[in-house]
Amino acid sequence: GEDVEQSLFLSVREGDSSVINCTYTDSSSTYLYWYKQEPGAGLQLLTYIFSNMDMKQDQRLTVLLNKKDKHLSLRIADTQTGDSAIYFCAESMGQRGYSSASKIIFGSGTRLSIRP
Amino acid sequence: SQTIHQWPATLVQPVGSPLSLECTVEGTSNPNLYWYRQAAGRGLQLLFYSVGIGQISSEVPQNLSASRPQDRQFILSSKKLLLSDSGFYLCAWRMIRAGSTEAFFGQGTRLTVV
Repeated sequence: GEDVEQSLFLSVREGDSSVINCTYTDSSSTYLYWYKQEPGAGLQLLTYIFSNMDMKQDQRLTVLLNKKDKHLSLRIADTQTGDSAIYFCAESMGQRGYSSASKIIFGSGTRLSIRP
Repeated sequence: SQTIHQWPATLVQPVGSPLSLECTVEGTSNPNLYWYRQAAGRGLQLLFYSVGIGQISSEVPQNLSASRPQDRQFILSSKKLLLSDSGFYLCAWRMIRAGSTEAFFGQGTRLTVV
């Protein structure tokens, strides 16, 4: 079945690194995503990784993928107050490249709070 | 550029009343369209997705239905709302093509059933 799991809360000190973890069950996932949701707003894509990659770095964000353990993580370096939000992990079932249909299944979201 | 519109932003409806939430996408053709619900304290639950006009896939049995009467219009409906239908409803679109797979979300509709 399709399932994506995340811890619900994470609290970090400003300036430290945040690591948000996610596990998924479907080994046929082709894309894995991290979305950010600020209060009362929709979701915005932060980054994504293809299933054939192990790591992707984009400025303060580092995504690590362990396909064997079906584990995805998002590391935010030098966490700032503006990083406070809910972070969603998501997986996409469907063929890479052109596909007529594919679902995106989201985790429960991890609420990241920053303390001074 | 592509944009997605979702309305209304907030809605308070009595139990047993009908519902119609509308989502439209501009600037693209034949997108995949999605309806998600985010209940309080819970994650994003996929309700419906559509790959084309009149083609609707339902993910969970429920009190809701979806329709896609036009290529870039996706409607979420109910004939009689339940208290448990309260939540934050998000519409999203996505183009499936090489190198571009992300979903773009609307700003959401907060539905409170009273």
